Amino acid sequence: RKEVEQDPGPFNVPEGATVAFNCTYSNSASQSFFWYRQDCRKEPKLLMSVYSSGNEDGRFTAQLNRASQYISLLIRDSKLSDSATYLCVVNPSGDMRFGAGTRLTVKP
Amino acid sequence: DAEITQSPRHKITETGRQVTLACHQTWNHNNMFWYRQDLGHGLRLIHYSYGVQDTNKGEVSDGYSVSRSNTEDLPLTLESAASSQTSVYFCASKGTNTGELFFGEGSRLTVL
Repeated sequence: RKEVEQDPGPFNVPEGATVAFNCTYSNSASQSFFWYRQDCRKEPKLLMSVYSSGNEDGRFTAQLNRASQYISLLIRDSKLSDSATYLCVVNPSGDMRFGAGTRLTVKP
Repeated sequence: DAEITQSPRHKITETGRQVTLACHQTWNHNNMFWYRQDLGHGLRLIHYSYGVQDTNKGEVSDGYSVSRSNTEDLPLTLESAASSQTSVYFCASKGTNTGELFFGEGSRLTVL
């Protein structure tokens, strides 16, 4: 079983749609969690950290469920510029482990 | 501005040759990482380091080595390149008390 698993997609949604991505992790000792965004042929960049109580940054909401070892990312009112691959990242013991990514395409 | 740079950005080599990919960061970060990215696998951790003289194996370390002689650099060496090591390689660094990874722009390696 992979340490971090994501639905690879692709997700194709119209502008203005709400879309949710899920991620599960296997190491229950993991302490910190993140969502990264990667544009085609570019390096990944931090989108947001995921806190235990859940957190929001504009149109983006991240949730953590430690009991189920599950992380989610919700994007509201999708924009064309949200088209990218979204990577779930888990920090089990100082080394940062990535999911395979979920590809999102937002269409006009 | 602080940054992290990788070189070369593109390299073509032959099977069996030794290859070294350079990574240099000016963030003064203790933690540095090497990943490879392949279709269907996402980013997989090769090696990482928490500081000078410290190195650790990641999930796909076979055929790769790293050394950390100073804070700024973590070169990745392929001792005897194989076609299976054709990939895009990303170096990243992270401060001790933060979760944000800063990535280089990547090095595309082709092994023929």
